[in-house]
Amino acid sequence: QVQLVQSGAEVKKPGASVKVSCKASGYTFTSYYMHWVRQAPGQGLEWMGIINPSSGITTYAQKFQGRVTMTRDTSTSTVYMELSSLRSEDTAVYYCARAYGSGSYNPWGQGTLVIVSS
Amino acid sequence: EIVLTQSPGTLSLSPGERATLSCRASQSVSSNYLAWYQQKPGQAPRLLIYGVSSRATGIPDRFSGSGSGTDFTLTISRLEPEDFAVYYCQQYGSSPVPFGGGTKVEIK
Repeated sequence: QVQLVQSGAEVKKPGASVKVSCKASGYTFTSYYMHWVRQAPGQGLEWMGIINPSSGITTYAQKFQGRVTMTRDTSTSTVYMELSSLRSEDTAVYYCARAYGSGSYNPWGQGTLVIVSS
Repeated sequence: EIVLTQSPGTLSLSPGERATLSCRASQSVSSNYLAWYQQKPGQAPRLLIYGVSSRATGIPDRFSGSGSGTDFTLTISRLEPEDFAVYYCQQYGSSPVPFGGGTKVEIK
């Protein structure tokens, strides 16, 4: 079955960077775009950007431009999201989600909690 | 940019009742690219409906989606205990804010 498995929780200090991985299985990795979405504690869903695993071409939300980098490794069917210059407001659960029909997202990874604290 | 507004913020209902959730867009949603997700505490969102009215694989038929243009609805015909959760609508397009703010369906 289609599955996205993300890396484990991280605790980072302000100013540091974090790199979250998302390993895909059960489908042809290069055939579906991958989104990254985050959710701060008690808040809604915030779209961060998208990567084409075939070409590596990315589109980032303007809010994260200059701080986020999305990459992929086709040999391991893994996408990565790196966020730099972390601040406390970046404390959130970060999800990868595969692009699906009619612009939807399906499935989602289990989420990776990133805590930014001094 | 398209902004999605969900209402009500919280819906208090009893098991067996019908739930009607609204998602209103500030501009017409292109090509019916409108989806609905369910999220339970501590879990990732799960796709329920895509393309306005198509149920995702494994989604019970008590969930249905409808609407067009700027007004969309998710209906749960008879609430089961496992349906109490937060629901988000999402549109696909050039908007940097594709998700609505969510509706919490809680037990009355």
